[in-house]
Amino acid sequence: AQSVAQPEDQVNVAEGNPLTVKCTYSVSGNPYLFWYVQYPNRGLQFLLKYITGDNLVKGSYGFEAEFNKSQTSFHLKKPSALVSDSALYFCAVRAYSGNTGKLIFGQGTTLQVKP
Amino acid sequence: DAGVTQSPTHLIKTRGQQVTLRCSPKSGHDTVSWYQQALGQGPQFIFQYYEEEERQRGNFPDRFSGHQFPNYSSELNVNALLLGDSALYLCASRRLEGMSYEQYFGPGTRLTVT
Repeated sequence: AQSVAQPEDQVNVAEGNPLTVKCTYSVSGNPYLFWYVQYPNRGLQFLLKYITGDNLVKGSYGFEAEFNKSQTSFHLKKPSALVSDSALYFCAVRAYSGNTGKLIFGQGTTLQVKP
Repeated sequence: DAGVTQSPTHLIKTRGQQVTLRCSPKSGHDTVSWYQQALGQGPQFIFQYYEEEERQRGNFPDRFSGHQFPNYSSELNVNALLLGDSALYLCASRRLEGMSYEQYFGPGTRLTVT
C-alpha cells in the first residue's frame, strides 16, 4: 500500500534558523512527491514537487526539498525561517493509476517559527 | 487568472439531510478531484472527474457522489449526512495532459453536520 508519513506533529524553530520538516514515503514504482502548505481556514497551497531529475528541488518562498531514494525520504527545508512560515505543512505522494493519480497525504506537520 | 473557486464557504446541515458543494477549476484545467479533510487530519481522496466521468474513487461510501459539467466545473453531493461527515471539503484541479502533475486547491467548503 502506498503511504506517506510525517513523523513530527510539530516543529519549532527560531526565526532566522534553518528548518526541516520530515517526510517518508512508501510507493510502488517511481515516486511523484509534493509539498503543500495550509494556512488557517485556507485551502492547500502548492510549494514544490519532485518528479524526476535533480534530487534537490527548489520551490516557492525559498523552500526546497531533498529527495533521497535509498531512505525513501523527501524532507522540506529552508535555510532561514520566517515567522510568516508558521503554518501546517503536508507531504503527498501521487498514487499512480493511469494518467489520473490521486494524492495521498501525510497527517501534516505544524511549523511554529518564533521571533 | 482565477484560481480554483468553491462555494459555499461554510455550510451547516442536520443529520440525514443532503448537501451539494460546487467547484470551478483553474482556467485551463480539465480534471477535478475532491478531498475530505477532517479536523487534524490530512486530506483524504474522495474521487476524481475527467471528461464528465468519475475516473478514480477513494474509500468513500456511495452516499458521496459527484458530477462534472461540460465547462469542467464539478459538484460533490453527499446524501444522508452523518455527524462524521463534518469536515473541510477541498476541490483540486489540474490539466490532465502534459508533465505538470501538481494539483491546485481551492479554499474549501467547511461543512458542519449537527
